[in-house]
Amino acid sequence: QQPVQSPQAVILREGEDAVINCSSSKALYSVHWYRQKHGEAPVFLMILLKGGEQKGHDKISASFNEKKQQSSLYLTASQLSYSGTYFCGSLYNQGGKLIFGQGTELSVKP
Amino acid sequence: SQTIHQWPATLVQPVGSPLSLECTVEGTSNPNLYWYRQAAGRGLQLLFYSVGIGQISSEVPQNLSASRPQDRQFILSSKKLLLSDSGFYLCAWNLGTGDSPLHFGNGTRLTVT
Repeated sequence: QQPVQSPQAVILREGEDAVINCSSSKALYSVHWYRQKHGEAPVFLMILLKGGEQKGHDKISASFNEKKQQSSLYLTASQLSYSGTYFCGSLYNQGGKLIFGQGTELSVKP
Repeated sequence: SQTIHQWPATLVQPVGSPLSLECTVEGTSNPNLYWYRQAAGRGLQLLFYSVGIGQISSEVPQNLSASRPQDRQFILSSKKLLLSDSGFYLCAWNLGTGDSPLHFGNGTRLTVT
């Protein structure tokens, strides 16, 4: 069951904020977030384990609502380097396989 | 430290020709190994997943196959390529725990002509 990401695409001006959402119809064990630049492999951002966890990474943070089976990625004061496609990955049980959402393309303009 | 090697970086093959892509991981043992494919402008489609030598889970029925002859070696193969096999193929590994991130190789860009 592929998680559903929204929005599919977003365009920002430098310094603006964005939120990317990831929803699952099935109970999640953990949620992973990755960013992929054009033509490159995805790069790991963070993992959230069940338990309503929040994490931060510079100006990028995320939350996991276990009750709703949803995760959100927050990008604040966006920089040009934030441009890329963001993927959430769903893990439904420990040791299981990681299934990715369809991606959210983020473009940050000067 | 752990590293993942994937080759070749680019490949152009005619329709009907065979395919072999190889991926090796160094610096860890008994990793979970993955093959993903990404069509142009699309998401990451899981093709194969392995938790150990000889243990392969196929996620999408197609003309591709995977093998894991050694603990840290993962091979993607096809006997006859189709045009629709074109894409960006990514090998990845993790430790198989819920808090273990996925580490990707640099990918192989395959064009079937």
